Amino acid sequence: KAGVTQTPRYLIKTRGQQVTLSCSPISGHRSVSWYQQTPGQGLQFLFEYFSETQRNKGNFPGRFSGRQFSNSRSEMNVSTLELGDSALYLCASSWMGEETQYFGPGTRLLVL
Amino acid sequence: AQTVTQSQPEMSVQEAETVTLSCTYDTSESDYYLFWYKQPPSRQMILVIRQEAYKQQNATENRFSVNFQKAAKSFSLKISDSQLGDAAMYFCAYRSADGGSNYKLTFGKGTLLTVNP
Repeated sequence: KAGVTQTPRYLIKTRGQQVTLSCSPISGHRSVSWYQQTPGQGLQFLFEYFSETQRNKGNFPGRFSGRQFSNSRSEMNVSTLELGDSALYLCASSWMGEETQYFGPGTRLLVL
Repeated sequence: AQTVTQSQPEMSVQEAETVTLSCTYDTSESDYYLFWYKQPPSRQMILVIRQEAYKQQNATENRFSVNFQKAAKSFSLKISDSQLGDAAMYFCAYRSADGGSNYKLTFGKGTLLTVNP
């Protein structure tokens, strides 16, 4: 089976812009979770989607949003980018959510 | 809220030797899962090993094994016969299993492992 894929792998944006990141889970997996990784805060949970519904949300401002499509692919959007949004964004998938999560390679976002 | 603590920011080991990475966690839940993930320089997060809290037997995956002490809330990772490819950042992670649908992973800050030839 192909692993979790994320696009794009690298992204450079300027403050105030918005960005959309994409994640395709392992075939058959219906749960997709997003995490932000920064040197200062470490790995933090953003949100989790299952069957097109957001089930859980971490402690992030409303500028961070996401959605999941009927084929389980997920996107996350960050609006009005700030310098502090520079991070590695990791997507993870699992079959129903309660099993082991498998991670994609991440999207590295740099906000200038 | 659950917390995960990795008290060793960096560790080093000689090739072919054994090293143990420490992890402690805090939770009031009785049922949960613990994981060790490895993140090499490529930044791809790779599952190393998983432990179910209700199982008393320590998990083992080839050269990787854990020492799970539920009462002490301790979950250490032992790497035997260390190889150069084991060099990476290692993260300990916790996930609830007590009903509901909160399946988020809570991570420690990580331990950077260096393997010396």
